[in-house]
Amino acid sequence: EVHLVESGGGLVQPGGSLRLSCAASGFTFSTDSMNWVRQAPGKGLEWISYISSSTYTIYYADSVKGRFTISRDNAKDSLYLQMNSLRDEDSAVYYCVRDPFTSGHWGQGTLVTVSS
Amino acid sequence: DIQMTQSPSSLSASVGDKVTITCRASQDIYNHLAWYQQKPGKVPKLLIYGASTLQSGVPSRLSGSGSGTDFTLTITSLQPEDVATYYCQTYYSAPKTFGQGTKVEIK
Repeated sequence: EVHLVESGGGLVQPGGSLRLSCAASGFTFSTDSMNWVRQAPGKGLEWISYISSSTYTIYYADSVKGRFTISRDNAKDSLYLQMNSLRDEDSAVYYCVRDPFTSGHWGQGTLVTVSS
Repeated sequence: DIQMTQSPSSLSASVGDKVTITCRASQDIYNHLAWYQQKPGKVPKLLIYGASTLQSGVPSRLSGSGSGTDFTLTITSLQPEDVATYYCQTYYSAPKTFGQGTKVEIK
C-alpha cells in the first residue's frame, strides 16, 4: 500500500524559512515524479511544484518561484520542499502527491502557518 | 499557462437531482483532466481521470465527459454523501492547474 507522510510544518514568522519532508513507501519512489500541492485555509487547491524522478526536470508555480526549492533523496525515499522568505499567504496545508496525478496518491498534509 | 475555469462556484440541489459541474480550459488539454472530491478536513479524493475514466470504487452515479477545452462532471442522482467540494485539474503540463472548486450542498 502506498503511503506518503509529510512532516516539518509549523508556525513561522514572515520572512522565515521552513523545510517540509515527505516520506514515501509502498512504491518504487526513485522511478516516480512527485509534486507539492497546497491549500490555504478555506481556499482551493494550488499546485506549486513538480520534480522528475531523476531531478532533471523541475517546475514551480509563479507564486513560489525563487523562494521555494523542491528536492528529493531517492536513497531515502524522501521528497522535500525548502521554503524561504515566507509570507502570510503561504499559510496552508501542504500535500505531497505522487505523479502522475492519476495515481490518486496524496499524503495527509502538513500545516504551515506564517504569522508574527 | 493553462487556466481552468470551473462553474458554478456553488450549488444546492435536492436528493435525487441530477447535478452538473463544468470546467473549461484556456487551451486544448486533450483528455488530460481529473476530477476530485474533497470533504471538510479531508484529503482530496480522485474521482475521474482521463476526463471520463472512473477511479476504482467511485459510484457509477458519477461520470465525466468532454475533451479539448470543455469538460463536465455529472452526478445523476445526488446523495447526501456527495456533499463536498469538487475540483477539476489539468495534468497536461506544468503548471498543473486546479479549477476554483464547486461546493455542492443539499437543499
